[in-house]
Amino acid sequence: QVQLQESGPGLVKPSETLSLTCTVSGGSISGYYCNWIRQSPGKGLEWIGYIYYSGSTNYNPSLKSRVTISVDTAKNQFSLKLSSVTAADTAVYYCARSPSRGSFDYWGQGTLVTVSS
Amino acid sequence: DIQMTQSPSTLYASVGDRVTITCRASQSISSWLAWYQQKPGKAPKLLMYKASTLESGVPSRFSGSGSETEFSLTISSLQPDDFATYCCQQYNNYSPTTFGQGTKVEIK
Repeated sequence: QVQLQESGPGLVKPSETLSLTCTVSGGSISGYYCNWIRQSPGKGLEWIGYIYYSGSTNYNPSLKSRVTISVDTAKNQFSLKLSSVTAADTAVYYCARSPSRGSFDYWGQGTLVTVSS
Repeated sequence: DIQMTQSPSTLYASVGDRVTITCRASQSISSWLAWYQQKPGKAPKLLMYKASTLESGVPSRFSGSGSETEFSLTISSLQPDDFATYCCQQYNNYSPTTFGQGTKVEIK
């Protein structure tokens, strides 16, 4: 059974960089698109971007200037960096896998990141 | 961005009811639509993709229909486990892929 697990700090100061890692177990990330998605408290889902296992990326234009997603196929992990965060970036961050540029079939449990001084 | 609008925002229903949720796209997305179920404190769970294809393991009481700009998710006989929030996702345009705001199904 494929499982995804997010890890990283739950509290980030304004203007700093949010960093999260997603570890995939029970299956390889090779051949898949590895996504980050967030959900602000009480709000809908917002796709942040993906990295293909080969390294190509695609980011949400609204966040593109602040987002970097990277992959480590040897560790079966991928990571998110979001720079210059503000309170508006407070959200539950999910990692999710998609077999194509489509729907997301496996998700991590989500991790709450709060931006506050 | 393609805007996805769901209706209603909240739906009150009883166990055994037939329930239909609608998702409208701001432009044609062909059949590139997925539906998810989300329970409080949990990640979304994929129910349906390509508008009407049931994800493996999802009960057959769930069905999807529609194309272009109008889509629906129907639960033929609502079960206690089905009280949750449902949202749609378009992936015709992946820059960016976008979600509806969600429809909460609550007990009447």
